Order: sequence, then C-alpha cells, then structure tokens
Amino acid sequence: DIQMTQSPSSLSASVGDRVTITCRASQGISNYLAWYQQKPGKVPKLLIYAASALQSGVPSRFSGSGSGTDFTLTISTLAPEDVATYYCHDYYSAPPTFGQGTKVEIK
Amino acid sequence: EVQLLESGGGLVQPGGSLRLSCAASGFTFSSHAMSWVRQAPGKGLEWVSGISGSGGSTYYADSVRGRFTISRDNSKNTLSLQMSSLRADDTAVYYCAKESRASLFVGQNPFDFWGHGTMVTVSS
Repeated sequence: DIQMTQSPSSLSASVGDRVTITCRASQGISNYLAWYQQKPGKVPKLLIYAASALQSGVPSRFSGSGSGTDFTLTISTLAPEDVATYYCHDYYSAPPTFGQGTKVEIK
Repeated sequence: EVQLLESGGGLVQPGGSLRLSCAASGFTFSSHAMSWVRQAPGKGLEWVSGISGSGGSTYYADSVRGRFTISRDNSKNTLSLQMSSLRADDTAVYYCAKESRASLFVGQNPFDFWGHGTMVTVSS
C-alpha cells in the first residue's frame, strides 16, 4: 500500500502569511492527489483534486502543485477562517490513503 | 443537492456487532463508488472500506478486513457497513463518502461529498 507522509504536523502563522504544507507519497502516484480541509467539529471538505485543480467554490488563495511523489498545498494569504486541519489523500489505487494531517493555527 | 445521512452508531461492548447505514440522495447512486472513512477522537482520517457502484468490488483496510462487511442496495440508494468483533480501537466517527466521478472502480477518485458521520463507541 502507498504511504503518505505529510508535514508539518502543525503550524502557527499570522493572518496574511503564506502557508505551505507538503505531502510525500511512498511511490509515484502521478497527480492522483487531493487535499481536504476539516474545521473543528466539521466534516472534511474537498479543496483540491488532481493535485492542482481547485474544487468549485473554494477560494483562490488555495492552490496545489506537484506530481509523482511530492505535493504541496499553499494558502497564499492566510485568513482567520482557514484555521483547520488539512489532509492529503492519494487515490492512485485502492486502498486510498490519507496523510496524518496538518493543523493550522493563527499566531 | 447531494445528501448522505448516516445512522446506526451507538455504544457497543467489545466483541459486539453494529450495522451502519448511509442513505444517499441527489445523485445517481449506482454510478458512484462509495466508502466508509473513520476518525477516532482527536485523530486523523482513516479509510475503512470501499465498494464499487455495482457492488461487485469491495476493498477493506487491513485493520478491519475479516471483521467488517461493506454492501450497498442500489434500489434503495443505501450503503451499509456491518461491523463485528468490535474492539476499543474501532471507536470513531464513521463517515460515508461519495467518490466524485462515476467509475467502475473503487478508490480512484477524490471524495466530493461526506455525510455528517455517526459515532461508534466500543466500551464495556
């Protein structure tokens, strides 16, 4: 099975900062990578699919990049409502795998 | 509007059984693979099991294989998860999740809709 290693596990940044989260796959997964946002007490929400495609309705400050084994989620300008835990998800083949999550807080 | 509504969670003793259901609406249920994803208290997301649109293909995480059985009734737009030999580490919120694109396969699309989850607590 493919393993997804996400980093950092948590970060604290100021409003307006640029935030970057990385996810590394244990083997190549092309661009079969999604990112989710889960706010406290809420259901996960799809942000990015196919490594870089923005899901409908998601603010343009979110972007994704990468292919193969290394992927990045970037929040260009951190907003207070972005406080959440973010997960990467590989869907290259069954079983799908989630990263461990990155908790984003406001400094 | 896509809706996924889970039910069936509750408190069960170790070694016990429980059946979860997910009622789906707002999309062509039989065209989409579906999965169960769980989240233990304070922990991350863990994929549990998935099933193809036809129901002909099923997949399980190693942690539940042989104890859990996923199924679907396309005539009733319902997804189910039969859980047996439950253990304390099965305690979690269980989410029903829909794959984004119609496909013959399981686990090869992101999850674009999630239910609100049902809590399963395994404790004596």
